[in-house]
Order: sequence, then C-alpha cells, then structure tokens
Amino acid sequence: EVQLVESGGGLVQPGGSLRLSCAASGFTFRSSAMNWVRHAPGRGLEWVATFSATTSNTYYANSVRGRFTISRDNSKNTLYLQMDSLRAEDTALYYCAKDWQLDYWGLGTLVTVSS
Amino acid sequence: DVVMTQSPLSLPVTLGQPASISCRSSQSLVHSNGDIYLNWFQQRPGQSPRRLIYQVSNRDSGVPDRFTGTGSGTDFTLKISRVEAEDVGTYYCMQGTHWPRAFGQGTRLEIK
Repeated sequence: EVQLVESGGGLVQPGGSLRLSCAASGFTFRSSAMNWVRHAPGRGLEWVATFSATTSNTYYANSVRGRFTISRDNSKNTLYLQMDSLRAEDTALYYCAKDWQLDYWGLGTLVTVSS
Repeated sequence: DVVMTQSPLSLPVTLGQPASISCRSSQSLVHSNGDIYLNWFQQRPGQSPRRLIYQVSNRDSGVPDRFTGTGSGTDFTLKISRVEAEDVGTYYCMQGTHWPRAFGQGTRLEIK
C-alpha cells in the first residue's frame, strides 16, 4: 500500500524558513517522480514543485522559484521541501504527491506564516 | 504558462441526476509523445485530493464507472452519470503536459 506522510509544518514568521519532509513507502521511491502541491485557505490547489526520478531535474512554480528548494534522499525514501523567505501568502496545507501525474497523495502538513 | 479554466465553479445537483464539469486549457495539451496529460481530482470535505481520471479518460483503480472523462486538444469534460451523496466535494482538472503544471480553479459540487 502506497503511503506518503508529510511532516515539518508549523508557525513561522515572515522571512523565516521551514523544511518539510515526506516519508514514502509501499512503492519504489527512487523510480518515481515526486511533487509538492499546496492548498491555501479559501483557494484552489496549487502545484509547487516536482523532482524527477531518473534525471534529477527539478521544476518550480513561478511563485516559489528562488525561495523553495525540492530535494530527495532515495536512501531514506524521503522527499523534502526547503522553504526560505516565507511570506504570508505561502500559508497553506502542503501535500506531497507521487508520480508525474500525481496518482497518490499524503494527508498534508500545515504551514502558517504569520507574525 | 498554460491556464486551466473550469466551469461551472459551483454545481448544485439533485441526487441521482447527472453532472458535468468543463475544463479548458489555454494551449493544446498534446505532449510531444502524442499523449494528453489531463487529470481529474476529487477532494471531499476534510480529505486529501484523490485522482479519479488520468490521461483524459482512464479511471483510476476503485473509481466508480459513473465517472467518465472525455475530451481532446484543449476541451475536456468530467461527467458523473448519477450523482450520489459521496460525490460531494470539489473537483479539479490539472494539466500534466507542460511546465509549470496547472490546476483549474475547482468546481464545488453540492446536493440540492
């Protein structure tokens, strides 16, 4: 059974940093592209970033490029999202999702950016 | 960047009646490999999103056959043949052909 468990969310001040983790199990992690998607209060889903499986290519939404960094540790079956220079508009529930086409999702971890 | 536009944004439906959601992309979603990466997701209240349909018309495992995806090029549709109470939630289309990826605004389905 595919499981994705996000962690690392919390309350952070504007301008601060946070690192999210997504622990994966139930599939061959190193062979799967992985994604972060967020859902801000009162808004729709927003794709944030993708890390490819074989080429190590990374892709970012315009809204986070230069501030967020997606990475992965295949030895630990874990996906990460380093979030720097956080803004109030980054407040959201952050999900990790498996595969280029997002076939499985975790339960999410909440990030609140507020002073 | 590709923009995905859904309609309607709110969809009140009587139980047992059909429902239809439209999704239009600002560019063709035909990939260079010939495939079309258009997905549909369901997000029930308080739950994580769940993929229902991939590559326009393929149902994911466990998805009831009352859900059907159709379309080509830039125009896509999700149809529910007979709405049930468990279908309440928000539905999103998402293009997986171009970077950056893009979701539609979401369509909130409610029971009349």
